[in-house]
Formats: sequence, C-alpha cells, structure tokens
Amino acid sequence: EADIYQTPRYLVIGTGKKITLECSQTMGHDKMYWYQQDPGMELHLIHYSYGVNSTEKGDLSSESTVSRIRTEHFPLTLESARPSHTSQYLCASSYAENTEAFFGQGTRLTVV
Amino acid sequence: GQNIDQPTEMTATEGAIVQINCTYQTSGFNGLFWYQQHAGEAPTFLSYNVLDGLEEKGRFSSFLSRSKGYSYLLLKELQMKDSASYLCAALDSNYQLIWGAGTKLIIKP
Repeated sequence: EADIYQTPRYLVIGTGKKITLECSQTMGHDKMYWYQQDPGMELHLIHYSYGVNSTEKGDLSSESTVSRIRTEHFPLTLESARPSHTSQYLCASSYAENTEAFFGQGTRLTVV
Repeated sequence: GQNIDQPTEMTATEGAIVQINCTYQTSGFNGLFWYQQHAGEAPTFLSYNVLDGLEEKGRFSSFLSRSKGYSYLLLKELQMKDSASYLCAALDSNYQLIWGAGTKLIIKP
C-alpha cells in the first residue's frame, strides 16, 4: 500500500485566495511530482523535485510554487487562486524516474 | 512534438480478453508505463517495459515494440472491477513522462 498522503481531499475556495496543497510520503523517495488532471484528460506535470532543495517547473505553468525542505514533504502553493485553477491535483513520488510512481489520493480544487 | 495516442473508450464483456493499444512519439525513449485509474481515484502502476517483447503479470500482460513506437496492454478473463481508465505514459530522453489521455474501459456483464 502506498504511503503518500494529500490534504485536503476537496477544497472550494474564492478567487484571489492563497492556498497550499499538502503532500507527504514516508517511503524515503527522492523524486516527487505534482500533476494536474482534468476529467478524461492526460496528466500534466506542474512541478517536480529530485531531492531536498531541488525544484523544477514542468510543462504546465499554473502560477504555483513548490518547496522541498524535507524529503518527505512537497507542498504546492497557489498565490492567487483563479477559476481556471479548478482541477484535480495529484502528488506522486518514486525511487527513480524509471520506476513505479506512487500517487496520493488527490485534491479536487474548485475556485469560485 | 511528443505525443501519445490511445483509444478514448473501449467496451468488452466480462470473462473476455481486451487489448488496449498505445502509440508514442517521443524525443528519445527510456521505457513505457501502464497505469490503471478508477474513476475518482489515483492512478496505480501496472507495468513498465523498456525492452521489446511481452511481459506477463497474472491476468495483465504488456507488449512493447520500440521500432514501431507501439505498446499494448492485454487484459484476460475480464472482471467487472477492471472497469477503469488505462493510462499509457512514455519516458523520454530527459526522463520526463509523456502521458496519454487514457482509455476508458467499460466491462459489460
């Protein structure tokens, strides 16, 4: 069973608010990822990290930031939420890029 | 550009066999993943192929042809719980995953 957790599971928030989506894993993985997924669509990589103090932007610019101060923790922050940010956000971790990725249960975000 | 093509939706009968195809175009190639995703849930790993050929894992098998940029996932003895989306993802030369939109598999009794 995967030991990767996301909170909150569901969030409804007003436009302009700042929010942080939490992601933690207890597997000691160096590689962590944030994806955005709309229903019936492919996963889009927002940010990734290869270890502590390492963060990179993915192919989807979503006006968000991440930090990786501890191996197990990889939070995603939206400075100013917009309705276009309404989506599902999935966090994942893996031992290496070419090994199985474990996904959290996701955060379904609605910006009104 | 890089892209993954897989059928949007397939329907099969309980107890039957179904093959889900995936073609990919990537800058370099370091392997191909299949994940299963039930509605409203997170993706879970099914298989990883980096060499040509068929790999069997219980009721599920995955095939890869690097020269053709082609893979398929074969599901045998279908069960109702196999109703899900099946995501194909290729790892490019920079070890970035390129994801397909997924194939929604509907199993009928």
